[in-house]
Amino acid sequence: GAGVSQSPRYKVAKRGQDVALRCDPISGHVSLFWYQQALGQGPEFLTYFQNEAQLDKSGLPSDRFFAERPEGSVSTLKIQRTQQEDSAVYLCASSLSNTEAFFGQGTRLTVV
Amino acid sequence: GQQLNQSPQSMFIQEGEDVSMNCTSSSIFNTWLWYKQDPGEGPVLLIALYKAGELTSNGRLTAQFGITRKDSFLNISASIPSDVGIYFCAGLYNYGQNFVFGPGTRLSVLP
Repeated sequence: GAGVSQSPRYKVAKRGQDVALRCDPISGHVSLFWYQQALGQGPEFLTYFQNEAQLDKSGLPSDRFFAERPEGSVSTLKIQRTQQEDSAVYLCASSLSNTEAFFGQGTRLTVV
Repeated sequence: GQQLNQSPQSMFIQEGEDVSMNCTSSSIFNTWLWYKQDPGEGPVLLIALYKAGELTSNGRLTAQFGITRKDSFLNISASIPSDVGIYFCAGLYNYGQNFVFGPGTRLSVLP
């Protein structure tokens, strides 16, 4: 597609439930980033892929967070045993050469 | 870790006025990006800067890459209602690293 696509746009999860968030980057983009954005704040880095290699996962807040990009294209961010503090907007961005990053619309996760 | 500061935090201006906002860092960056985010949407890239001292325009928007590489400025001329939103700066030190975002400047335009 023309831009970064994320699904679902909205997700409500019961505390303790596992969730999976999907990102379809711009075709041909090598780099893929996941960010977490709390209400009223700037995006906070979670993890970064270059093709299928996860080069940096230093921003993942706990071992309940896991991301993969097995074929170097679509990526999935999985959160296990969701907690209320996981409620946020999860943004995915892709980049051809790390000089510019283009974002999707985000997935708003609400844990109840 | 690296942190960016943005000022002002928020601003209210009259339609037609010019706007200036800035972004500062304690560490240097080699790329600066400016984004605008509307409610319920992802950030949209406005301007990218790659060289210290660079001045780049995109319509009514002009951004500059500070010569110290620790700051950047965004100016909007003749503001219009659709300029309302949150403006984020983002810095990148090197390829293979992540973009670091500031906390944003919230712009409101009064008719």
